[in-house]
Amino acid sequence: DAKTTQPPSMDCAEGRAANLPCNHSTISGNEYVYWYRQIHSQGPQYIIHGLKNNETNEMASLIITEDRKSSTLILPHATLRDTAVYYCIVPPQGGSEKLVFGKGTKLTVNP
Amino acid sequence: NAGVTQTPKFRILKIGQSMTLQCTQDMNHNYMYWYRQDPGMGLKLIYYSVGAGITDKGEVPNGYNVSRSTTEDFPLRLELAAPSQTSVYFCASSFGGAGHEQYFGPGTRLTVT
Repeated sequence: DAKTTQPPSMDCAEGRAANLPCNHSTISGNEYVYWYRQIHSQGPQYIIHGLKNNETNEMASLIITEDRKSSTLILPHATLRDTAVYYCIVPPQGGSEKLVFGKGTKLTVNP
Repeated sequence: NAGVTQTPKFRILKIGQSMTLQCTQDMNHNYMYWYRQDPGMGLKLIYYSVGAGITDKGEVPNGYNVSRSTTEDFPLRLELAAPSQTSVYFCASSFGGAGHEQYFGPGTRLTVT
């Protein structure tokens, strides 16, 4: 299984970009990188995922390095509602996509 | 679409009691999952299913059972509840495996005393 490493916490000013890093140096060629977040005690919320190319959706952008050993989630204009725990996940190959949640990064957006 | 719904929202059990946590999705997803989250920790996979009639164990299956008789429902059964099963339980579903996101329910907060 590809394991991920994230900083335990980060702060960001409201309105600024939040850049959340993730290392996944043992990732295999066909394994996706997923990002989820969990606001307080709610169920996790899917944000974005990618394989090799950079991806963007209405919530965020995902930048994956060329060697795929690390990635960065970018929230372009962070708001107070983006305060949450952000999880970077690389599920093992095999089709069932069993997510393995670590402790993630606690992002605090400050006014 | 209601998405993924879970009942009950909260429950207190005495040691040794049994109960079933209900999970239903209306998105016609083939894959369904049960996770538990202990305080301050990430989620851990209990069981998952890739279609009606097919289930498999996750990381922490002991003390739990599941069944999948329909596409929509994926109940989680706790037999002989123990204090170690005090946790928040989340159900999730997805259309497929690799490359498909999972949609999570709101969770069931269970306390065993």
